[in-house]
Amino acid sequence: DVKVTQSSRYLVKRTGEKVFLECVQDMDHENMFWYRQDPGLGLRLIYFSYDVKMKEKGDIPEGYSVSREKKERFSLILESASTNQTSMYLCASSRRGARSYEQYFGPGTRLTVT
Amino acid sequence: AQSVTQLDSQVPVFEEAPVELRCNYSSSVSVYLFWYVQYPNQGLQLLLKYLSGSTLVKGINGFEAEFNKSQTSFHLRKPSVHISDTAEYFCAVSDHGGGSQGNLIFGKGTKLSVKP
Repeated sequence: DVKVTQSSRYLVKRTGEKVFLECVQDMDHENMFWYRQDPGLGLRLIYFSYDVKMKEKGDIPEGYSVSREKKERFSLILESASTNQTSMYLCASSRRGARSYEQYFGPGTRLTVT
Repeated sequence: AQSVTQLDSQVPVFEEAPVELRCNYSSSVSVYLFWYVQYPNQGLQLLLKYLSGSTLVKGINGFEAEFNKSQTSFHLRKPSVHISDTAEYFCAVSDHGGGSQGNLIFGKGTKLSVKP
């Protein structure tokens, strides 16, 4: 059974803190994605990666960075958390060159910045 | 640029009634189309997908969707809903081999609320 796991389901951080969100997939997928989900806005792509050490900006990369040192792990970093980064964060992965581009999602991390 | 419009943000319906969740997309190239479901406090799970071939696609949990190229629509239907279908549903589109390989564009979601 395919699996994408995220390090925390719920996280509370203070403004200005550095925050790490971790995502691990066990499907040997090349592509990995970070989204944030806000009510009424759907899913918005923050960053994605097609291979180890590669990263591409999505639609809303400001205030975020990413790291992919190993194929199975994709980290999202909030360098200095702010209250407007309070959101649900979803990680996903997919196979490169897959005919369908189907993405598999983790359970999400609900981050609150106070 | 591609875009996806889900025409209803909320759909209330009684148990055992039929339901249709509407999705329209815009794209200048051929597309793949998806419906995902998100149950409360969970990630997204694939319901069904259209790649090619038959325009009527069947998915899990009794859902089906019909691809209409002329109307650029991919509406999701279920003939009889259950309480357990209460969730948020997302329509998504991906173009064939575009520059952003494997990226999906999501709609803003439709919350289906099934009442007893």
